[in-house]
Amino acid sequence: DVQMTQSPSTVSASVGDRLNITCRASHPISRWLAWHQQKPGKAPKLLMYKASSLESGVPSRFSGSGSGTEFTLSIISLQPDDFAMYYCQQYNNYPWTFGRGTKVEIK
Amino acid sequence: QVQLQESGPGLVKPSQTLSLTCTVSGASTSSGNHYWSWIRQSAGKGLESIGRIYTTGRTDYNPSLKSRVSMSVDTSKNEFSLKLTSVTAADTAMYYCAREVKGGIAEYYIDYWGQGTLVTVSS
Repeated sequence: DVQMTQSPSTVSASVGDRLNITCRASHPISRWLAWHQQKPGKAPKLLMYKASSLESGVPSRFSGSGSGTEFTLSIISLQPDDFAMYYCQQYNNYPWTFGRGTKVEIK
Repeated sequence: QVQLQESGPGLVKPSQTLSLTCTVSGASTSSGNHYWSWIRQSAGKGLESIGRIYTTGRTDYNPSLKSRVSMSVDTSKNEFSLKLTSVTAADTAMYYCAREVKGGIAEYYIDYWGQGTLVTVSS
């Protein structure tokens, strides 16, 4: 299986901050990477696919980049609604595998 | 609006079979542009793909669970199902059904998740 490693595991930030979350794959996955957001007690929600394609309805303050083994999710000007868990997920080789998540918490 | 809803027992005894159904609305399980997936989440293993099924009945299973998993799709009811046999406490998790959408040739990615159902394995 492709192992996905996210960093940091937790980040404390303030409203208005810019944030980068990194995801590394143990093997090259081209650009077959998605980012999901999960809030407590809720199902994950797709934010980004194919590394940098924004899902419909997701605010443009979210952006994604990367290919191969290293990827980044960026959030410019954090909003109160953005405090949540973020997971990367590869879909190059089944079984799809997920990172352990990054918790974005209020500083 | 696409919605997926899991249903099934919340408590299963060790060594028994876990059975869940996902009812789909706002989309069709007979669509050739989607796979229908099961994913689980536990504190110990995080998010873990269990398997997925296409409208034809074609399946992909996680090799770590393959010997115990079976999936089926019922297009007349617009639902798909999961069976996991010989469960242990390690199978205790939140179980999600999800839809994968075709983004391009051989590209399918998860675009919708159900709300999840907690399954506890305990005697």
